[in-house]
Amino acid sequence: QVTLKESGPVLVKPTETLTLTCTVSGFSLNNARMGVSWIRQPPGKALEWLAHIFSNDEQSYSTSLKRRLTISKDTSRSQVVLSMTNMDPVDTATYFCARTTMGTYNSFDVWGQGTMVTVSS
Amino acid sequence: DIQMTQSPSSLSASVGDRVTITCRANQSISSYLNWYQQKPGKAPKLLICAASNLQSGVPSRFSGSGSVTDFTLTITSLQPEDFATYYCQQSYTTPRTFGQGTKVEIK
Repeated sequence: QVTLKESGPVLVKPTETLTLTCTVSGFSLNNARMGVSWIRQPPGKALEWLAHIFSNDEQSYSTSLKRRLTISKDTSRSQVVLSMTNMDPVDTATYFCARTTMGTYNSFDVWGQGTMVTVSS
Repeated sequence: DIQMTQSPSSLSASVGDRVTITCRANQSISSYLNWYQQKPGKAPKLLICAASNLQSGVPSRFSGSGSVTDFTLTITSLQPEDFATYYCQQSYTTPRTFGQGTKVEIK
């Protein structure tokens, strides 16, 4: 069974750096046909893709957020980590990680439950 | 970035109705179009990938069509559990982008 689970702080202050961890099971981060993406959703708003990373360490970022984002992976721990600097209240959102599979046209075929992050002083 | 535009933004329908949601890309994405269903407080669920490939376990009343820039999600006979928000998403290139969502509500 493939699962992904997000973890990280519930509350961060403005200007702080957010670090989120996605722990995966049921597949390997070494799998050449799979990667992990981060996606967020502010309350009541649409989904927004943030970044992805693949087994070969190929990374890609949202155009508007790339200066603030860093994605990395620890294959031995089955974890993908997303860092977002200079947090602002507009970054308040539920953050999801999801598996990207080349076999399904790079769709997000399995999602984590999401973790809600509030940015407030 | 490729912009994805869904219409309508919301609709009201009755159980048994046929529902159609459209998604348009502002440039060609071939068939790299995916549809997701999201219920309140839950993660999105992949329904259809590659424009028309129904995921395992997704009821056959859901179907997708289209290519290049214009795509459609159809629900042939709306069921109570189908009331949700639906998103299209292009996976043709990075950055990946989503439509703004279509909320399907009970009439």
